[in-house]
Amino acid sequence: AQSVTQLGSHVSVSEGALVLLRCNYSSSVPPYLFWYVQYPNQGLQLLLKYTSAATLVKGINGFEAEFKKSETSFHLTKPSAHMSDAAEYFCAVRGQTSGSRLTFGEGTQLTVNP
Amino acid sequence: DVKVTQSSRYLVKRTGEKVFLECVQDMDHENMFWYRQDPGLGLRLIYFSYDVKMKEKGDIPEGYSVSREKKERFSLILESASTNQTSMYLCASSLGDRTGQRYEQYFGPGTRLTVT
Repeated sequence: AQSVTQLGSHVSVSEGALVLLRCNYSSSVPPYLFWYVQYPNQGLQLLLKYTSAATLVKGINGFEAEFKKSETSFHLTKPSAHMSDAAEYFCAVRGQTSGSRLTFGEGTQLTVNP
Repeated sequence: DVKVTQSSRYLVKRTGEKVFLECVQDMDHENMFWYRQDPGLGLRLIYFSYDVKMKEKGDIPEGYSVSREKKERFSLILESASTNQTSMYLCASSLGDRTGQRYEQYFGPGTRLTVT
């Protein structure tokens, strides 16, 4: 079965500091991996995705993530945090091969301090 | 751009009422999904549909039903609302092809339902 673990339900950084949000996955099939962002009182927006092409994936708003098979990780990073990055971030992995489901992590709330 | 709309942003209902949450997508997507989101639990799949009139149970279908009579519309029904169904409900859609694109889900803004 596929699963996702996000380490740290809350992460706090200073404006201008590095953002690192951790995601580890478990998958019995080649994984497709996603990061979504949710701003307050909104739905989820796709930040970036890994679908077995390049292992370093660039997304919107300056975010990127690196797929590391040996570590079963897909951590999200941004070199310099901005106040507007404050949101909840979800990592997701595709479900079983015959369906179109995603399995989501529990989310990480990012706070950016001035 | 894909657009997924949900009928209400906020909804307050009484225990025992029948509740309908509507979701419409405008990109001719085959797959549609209903999730509920609760603090610390992430998103949990209630039901999904891969075609008109087709549905499958997700992880937490108890107390819910769904209807998909038209491709663009997917309804979530709470037959008899209870206080433990107070939550944020999110609808999503995706393509139904066989490529990895079918996993890329597009979300609506959510409906925050309060059952009193």
